[in-house]
Amino acid sequence: QVQLQESGPGLVKPSDTLSLTCAVSGHSISSNNWWGWIRQPPGKGLEWIAYIYYSGSIFYNPSLKSRVTMSVDTSKNQFSLNLSSVTAVDTAVYYCARHYCSINSCYVDYWGQGTLVTVSS
Amino acid sequence: QSALTQPPSVSGSPGQSVTISCTGTSSDVGSYNRVSWYQQPPGTAPKLMIYEVSNRPSGVPDRFSGSKSGNTASLTISGLRAEDEADYYCSSYTSSSTLVFGGGTKLTVL
Repeated sequence: QVQLQESGPGLVKPSDTLSLTCAVSGHSISSNNWWGWIRQPPGKGLEWIAYIYYSGSIFYNPSLKSRVTMSVDTSKNQFSLNLSSVTAVDTAVYYCARHYCSINSCYVDYWGQGTLVTVSS
Repeated sequence: QSALTQPPSVSGSPGQSVTISCTGTSSDVGSYNRVSWYQQPPGTAPKLMIYEVSNRPSGVPDRFSGSKSGNTASLTISGLRAEDEADYYCSSYTSSSTLVFGGGTKLTVL
């Protein structure tokens, strides 16, 4: 059974960098999947952030591209998100997610439980 | 990329059918069959309900069905049950090789 678990600070100061890690169990991160992040501000909808392939290919949401970086650590079977220069609007539940993408498909089939990150001084 | 457009809310009585629309552009919904739908009860992570426009993952009841016409995809839930009450989100692959979500629709079972 594939499981994803987010970890990282629950409170980040404005202008700092938000850093989260997603540990994957039950499945190799070096498989034919894309691994990504999705966030949800309190009471609002889902926003797709980015995804990465184990080889290092990455695609970012254009609206966040200038502030987002992702990396993958195949030795630890985990991947990470960094979001720089955060403000209050970045307060959200952050989900890590496994994507299945092919010539005919691209969807999220496994989600982490989500972790709330609050941006506040 | 702009969020896909969904109605904020829909409602129906038990046993009835409801349809949730999801409108995009020729750069996403209109160009790909890579449209998916997710159900999110309050306080939980989303769950995949439909992929590739109309396919159901194992375990999803056949009361849930999907379709697409032009730039608009639709999710239909027939034989509404109280347990279907949740937020529903559509998603599409885009011409930039990214994903985009809809704004979400709150389904109320009366």
